[in-house]
Amino acid sequence: EVQLVESGGGLVQPGGSLGLSCAASGFTFTDYSMNWVRQAPGKGLEWVSHISSRSSAIYYADSVKGRFTISRDNAKNSLYLQMNSLRAEDTAVYYCARDHSDSSGTLDYWGQGTVVTVSS
Amino acid sequence: DIQMTQSPSSLSASVGDRVTITCRASQSISNYLNWYQQKPGKAPKLLIYVASSLQSGVPSRFSGTGSGADFTLTISSLQPEDFATYYCQQSFSTGLTFGGGTKVEIK
Repeated sequence: EVQLVESGGGLVQPGGSLGLSCAASGFTFTDYSMNWVRQAPGKGLEWVSHISSRSSAIYYADSVKGRFTISRDNAKNSLYLQMNSLRAEDTAVYYCARDHSDSSGTLDYWGQGTVVTVSS
Repeated sequence: DIQMTQSPSSLSASVGDRVTITCRASQSISNYLNWYQQKPGKAPKLLIYVASSLQSGVPSRFSGTGSGADFTLTISSLQPEDFATYYCQQSFSTGLTFGGGTKVEIK
């Protein structure tokens, strides 16, 4: 069974940093691209970042470019998102999501999400 | 970025109704269009990919059509468990974008 479990969310002050993790199991992690998608309270879905299976291709939404860094450790079956210079508008539930096939952009499995709140 | 526009933003329907949701892209995206269902407090669930392919395990009452810039999600006979918010999403460009969502409520 495919499982994605996010962790690392919490309350952080504006300008602060936070690191999210996503532990993957139930599939061959090295075969799949991964993504982070977020959802602000009461709002729709916003794609944040993508990383290919071997980390050769990385993309970011303009809203987080230069502040967030996506990475993965295939030996640990884990995906990460390092978030710096956080703003109130980064407050959201952050989901990790698997690509249906390498870099397809179709997100076939999602984690349960981790909540990030940016507030003083 | 490719903009995705869904309509309506919400609708009320009864069990057994046929429901249609539309999604329009700001440019042609071929058939690189996916549909997701999200229930309150839960993660989104993939329903349809590449416009018309049904994801494994998804009931056949869900179907998708369209190509180019205009797409449709149809629920042939609405069931109680289908009351949720539905999102379209384009995978034509590397910057994935979602529609604003359509909330399907009980009439």
